[in-house]
Amino acid sequence: QKEVEQDPGPLSVPEGAIVSLNCTYSNSAFQYFMWYRQYSRKGPELLMYTYSSGNKEDGRFTAQVDKSSKYISLFIRDSQPSDSATYLCAMKVQGGSEKLVFGKGTKLTVNP
Amino acid sequence: DGGITQSPKYLFRKEGQNVTLSCEQNLNHDAMYWYRQDPGQGLRLIYYSQIVNDFQKGDIAEGYSVSREKKESFPLTVTSAQKNPTAFYLCASSRRGANVLTFGAGSRLTVL
Repeated sequence: QKEVEQDPGPLSVPEGAIVSLNCTYSNSAFQYFMWYRQYSRKGPELLMYTYSSGNKEDGRFTAQVDKSSKYISLFIRDSQPSDSATYLCAMKVQGGSEKLVFGKGTKLTVNP
Repeated sequence: DGGITQSPKYLFRKEGQNVTLSCEQNLNHDAMYWYRQDPGQGLRLIYYSQIVNDFQKGDIAEGYSVSREKKESFPLTVTSAQKNPTAFYLCASSRRGANVLTFGAGSRLTVL
């Protein structure tokens, strides 16, 4: 079993839809959870960052972490064509020398 | 504006040739990283450096070499020993011990 599993998609939705992106993980020591957005032929950019369990909201984006189920989600409300990108989840164990572990990314297309 | 500059953006190389990818950051970050991204593979760590004149192998270091002579610079050399060098290469940096990475725009290497 891989440390982080992420459905690669592709996922195609109409404009205005609610999008749910998910990752599961096996290492219960993960404490820090991130979502990166990567546009085609660009570098990833940090979208959301959460510590431990709970929800975090930023505009149309909500990140959820359920440590008991080892499951994280990113919700996008009122999706826009500009949200079309690959979304990568990433996780890290507490400790400065530890490395980020990335999911493989989910490619999302929002159709106008 | 602070950020990470990768060059060249596109690079073509003949088999058997070494090639060096440049990565420069003006964020005053201590740590720097090189990742390789292939379709369906996610991000894989090649090398990372926490401080000047020190670096560690990541998960796929074979066929690659790095140096860290200056805090701002972390060049990656793809040697002829790398069997499948065609890929998208991403450089990233972070404050030492930080959980969040800042990425460059990437360099796409194609071996002809």
